[in-house]
Amino acid sequence: DAGITQSPRHKVTETGTPVTLRCHQTENHRYMYWYRQDPGHGLRLIHYSYGVKDTDKGEVSDGYSVSRSKTEDFLLTLESATSSQTSVYFCATSLGGDQPQHFGDGTRLSIL
Amino acid sequence: DQQVKQNSPSLSVQEGRISILNCDYTNSMFDYFLWYKKYPAEGPTFLISISSIKDKNEDGRFTVFLNKSAKHLSLHIVPSQPGDSAVYFCAASARVSGGGADGLTFGKGTHLIIQP
Repeated sequence: DAGITQSPRHKVTETGTPVTLRCHQTENHRYMYWYRQDPGHGLRLIHYSYGVKDTDKGEVSDGYSVSRSKTEDFLLTLESATSSQTSVYFCATSLGGDQPQHFGDGTRLSIL
Repeated sequence: DQQVKQNSPSLSVQEGRISILNCDYTNSMFDYFLWYKKYPAEGPTFLISISSIKDKNEDGRFTVFLNKSAKHLSLHIVPSQPGDSAVYFCAASARVSGGGADGLTFGKGTHLIIQP
């Protein structure tokens, strides 16, 4: 949807290791978002970007950082992964205004 | 504190009948509401949205109703089809006060099951 590719699709790693998830879009959308989905919580916003090098925190930003050096790429980094960050991570993009957000297919991240 | 609530974790409806999914919100700053549909192992897919200046929006079999005084919205699917079986998420944003970035606040979802 909206040409959004998330990589990797699945990852298993150990506590304390750094992890970077990538979101790549081909639609030239200005806005990009990272959410996590956990049982009993729906989707929760981690960080978002409103342009190249312009980012801000969402509801559950602790333990995460982001970077956007190009319009098409939005990276989510876990500097030192913890078991509580085991989740499914979704990237979304939007033109803003009246336009809805469109989502990628997610990355399933397991931290042991 | 949950700002968007979907109080029915699951709903079972017969094929051909109407499906009604409900959503309540508490934040009076929300001015844009959306419904997403999600299949397992896929990302949410946008279905329909409504701005707070409207009380109804229709797109084919899908209609969303907004009651601002009750802080309640509902999604009607008529007629329900087997392919409608999925998890449906209600989402909201405060577009005006949020400066246009539109970070969404989601409900926990309702699993709709269409029975043949």
